[in-house]
Formats: sequence, structure tokens, C-alpha cells
Amino acid sequence: AQSVTQLDSHVSVSEGTPVLLRCNYSSSYSPSLFWYVQHPNKGLQLLLKYTSAATLVKGINGFEAEFKKSETSFHLTKPSAHMSDAAEYFCVVSDGSTGFQKLVFGTGTRLLVSP
Amino acid sequence: SQTIHQWPATLVQPVGSPLSLECTVEGTSNPNLYWYRQAAGRGLQLLFYSVGIGQISSEVPQNLSASRPQDRQFILSSKKLLLSDSGFYLCAWRGYAETQYFGPGTRLLVL
Repeated sequence: AQSVTQLDSHVSVSEGTPVLLRCNYSSSYSPSLFWYVQHPNKGLQLLLKYTSAATLVKGINGFEAEFKKSETSFHLTKPSAHMSDAAEYFCVVSDGSTGFQKLVFGTGTRLLVSP
Repeated sequence: SQTIHQWPATLVQPVGSPLSLECTVEGTSNPNLYWYRQAAGRGLQLLFYSVGIGQISSEVPQNLSASRPQDRQFILSSKKLLLSDSGFYLCAWRGYAETQYFGPGTRLLVL
């Protein structure tokens, strides 16, 4: 079965410092992996996705993630945090057992950014 | 380009009342459609998904039902709301490479 584990429920950074949100996955298939962001009372917005092309994936708003098969990881990074980055972030894997009809979501990491 | 709409944005309903939430997608045809619920401070729970008109897969036995009367319309319903139905309801459509795109959500409070 596919699964994702987001290693931190909360991450706190200061504005201008780097961001690291950690995600490990488990998949019996060649996975597609995603990061979504959710601001309060909003829908989920796609940040970036990995679909077996380049292992370093660049997304919107300066975020990027690196797919590391040997470590089964897909950590999200950003060189310099901005106040507007404060939100909930979800790591997601496509569910190959359902013919990729469904996604499996992590439990989320809340990013707090202080001035 | 594709857009997804949900309404209403916010809803306050008494226990035992019926529910109808609507989701529509523009700019694509025959998409897979999904209903999720997000309880306060928790992750997303897939409730239903549909691969075509009249085709509904239920993920969790519950007080809710879904219907897809038209290609780009997905409706979430209940005959009698429970307190536990409160939450944030999100609709999504599936695009290329398994990517799902989400609507703005409906906040439901059952009192």
C-alpha cells in the first residue's frame, strides 16, 4: 500500500531563513509525488509534482523538492521564507493500487513564519 | 483554462436538516471528480469519487451520499445532518499525470 509520512507536524522559521519540510513515502509502484499548500479556509493549491522526470523539481513561489529513491524521501525546501509562506503543507503520493485514481495524503505540516 | 467552483462557501445548518453541496468544473470534459472532508486540524479524508456520469465510488460508510448528474457536476448530499458532519468540504478534479486540482471549499457547521 502507498503511504506518506510527514515527519513534523509543525515547523517554525524566521522570515528570510531556509525552510525544510520533510516527507517520506512508501510505494510499490513508481510513484508520482506532490506537495500542496493550504492557506486558512482555502482549498489546496499545487506547489509542485514529481512524475519520474528530473529528480529535482521546481515549483511555484520559490519552492523545490528533491526525489531521492534510495532514501524514499521527497523533502520540500525554500531558500528564504516569506511571511506569506505560513500555511499547511501536504505531501501526497498517487495510489498505484487503484490505477492511480486516488491520492494518499500525509497528515500535514504547519509552517509558522515569524518576523 | 480549467476552473472549479464550489458553493456555497459557508453553510450553517441545524442537526437533522438536509444538505446539498455543489461542485462544477469548467474547461475540461469527463474528468474524475472527488469529494474530500477535512475536520478541524486534521488531514483530508476522501469521501467519494466519480469516473463518469452516474458512477460513484464511496470510500467511507457514512451519513452522506454523492451524485453526478452531469459530466462536470458533482453533488454531495445528506438527508439528515449530524453534528459530526461539520467540517471543510473540498471538491477536486483529476488532470494530467494524476494531479488533482481543488476547489475553494465549503465550510459546513452543523449546530
